[in-house]
Amino acid sequence: DQQVKQNSPSLSVQEGRISILNCDYTNSMFDYFLWYKKYPAEGPTFLISISSIKDKNEDGRFTVFLNKSAKHLSLHIVPSQPGDSAVYFCAASVGGSQGNLIFGKGTKLSVKP
Amino acid sequence: DAGVIQSPRHEVTEMGQEVTLRCKPISGHDYLFWYRQTMMRGLELLIYFNNNVPIDDSGMPEDRFSAKMPNASFSTLKIQPSEPRDSAVYFCASSSRGAQYFGPGTRLTVT
Repeated sequence: DQQVKQNSPSLSVQEGRISILNCDYTNSMFDYFLWYKKYPAEGPTFLISISSIKDKNEDGRFTVFLNKSAKHLSLHIVPSQPGDSAVYFCAASVGGSQGNLIFGKGTKLSVKP
Repeated sequence: DAGVIQSPRHEVTEMGQEVTLRCKPISGHDYLFWYRQTMMRGLELLIYFNNNVPIDDSGMPEDRFSAKMPNASFSTLKIQPSEPRDSAVYFCASSSRGAQYFGPGTRLTVT
């Protein structure tokens, strides 16, 4: 049973518009959430994280929102750029940033010029 | 900083052979993780170390898999004997009280 779900395998967005990537989780014990970006033939690259004590964290064009009651988080990219085209993974853990990260299956984002 | 270094980047071997994957974590990081990525199961944690000590190996699929971390700057993941279903991309990651940073991965193909 998947504890972290990314229900959209792919997303296509026009350059300059907002990209919204979604992630749902089932384990209420998760207290730390991360987003990673992955290009082909490379390892996942850390993008942004959020602790369960917050509901929003922002870093430049990237903002992560956490809705604990809905067990839902989202990544907003504004404005989207062609270089953002990659697979985005949501991950969650219990007990902070160390230990077992549970990953979603990923969403492939395509940003069209 | 060179980041997490993995070798080899690609490995093709025949069923039954021993395979050793290597990882050098980021200097100063005290956690090291081994992951496997497949189409069916996505990214899954195999084992992780803290200060060179294995903490959780519950993700290691079978006794054919073993991992060691003899010092803070080196870890190996060994498969003996290898089987075709072990074909996957194996990632090493390291961290220190923050996000995990991944290496480029080793693509293993067992024929």
